[in-house]
Amino acid sequence: DIQMTQSPSSVSASVGDRVTITCRASQDISSWLAWYQQKPGKAPKVLLYAASSLQSGVPSRFSGSGSGTDFTLTISSLQPEDFATYYCQQANSFPYTFGQGTKLEIK
Amino acid sequence: QVQLQQSGPGLVKPSQTLSLTCAISGDSVSSNSAAWNWIRQSPSRGLEWLGRTYYRSYTSKWYNDYAVSVKSRITINPDTAKNQFSLQLNSVTLEDTAVYYCARAISNWYPLDYWGQGTLVTVSS
Repeated sequence: DIQMTQSPSSVSASVGDRVTITCRASQDISSWLAWYQQKPGKAPKVLLYAASSLQSGVPSRFSGSGSGTDFTLTISSLQPEDFATYYCQQANSFPYTFGQGTKLEIK
Repeated sequence: QVQLQQSGPGLVKPSQTLSLTCAISGDSVSSNSAAWNWIRQSPSRGLEWLGRTYYRSYTSKWYNDYAVSVKSRITINPDTAKNQFSLQLNSVTLEDTAVYYCARAISNWYPLDYWGQGTLVTVSS
């Protein structure tokens, strides 16, 4: 199975800050990476797919980059509703695997 | 708009079978491009993909893929009459306690774009 490792596991930031989360795959996954946001008690919601494609309806302050094994999710200017846990997921091969999550907290 | 509505018991006894159903609206379980997945989430294991079912018209066949960790215990079945799919996990233990989600993926390399609301299943005697 492909292992997905996210860093950091948690980050504190303020409204208006720029935040970057990284995700590393244990082997080459091309660009087949998705990012999800999850709020307590809710299902994950897809933000980006194919590493950098924004899912319909997702604000443009979310962006993604990377290919191969190293990927980043950037939130350009944090809004109050962005405080949540973020997960990466590889869709290159089965089984799908997820990162362990990055909790974004209010400073 | 695709919606997935989960149903099933929230409490299962050890060694028994966990059964959940995911009813689909706005799409078809027989879609020629989508796949219908089950994922679970627990504090100890994080998000864990369990398996999927999908139909491909060029072969007129249903297919299943399962995670190795549960392969000997899991069955995912489509129900075309009710436009839903189900999860059965046999011989459950305390480690199977988790929130279970159903989700759609539009193709192999694309994300899980629609999710059910989640069902907390507790394995306890």
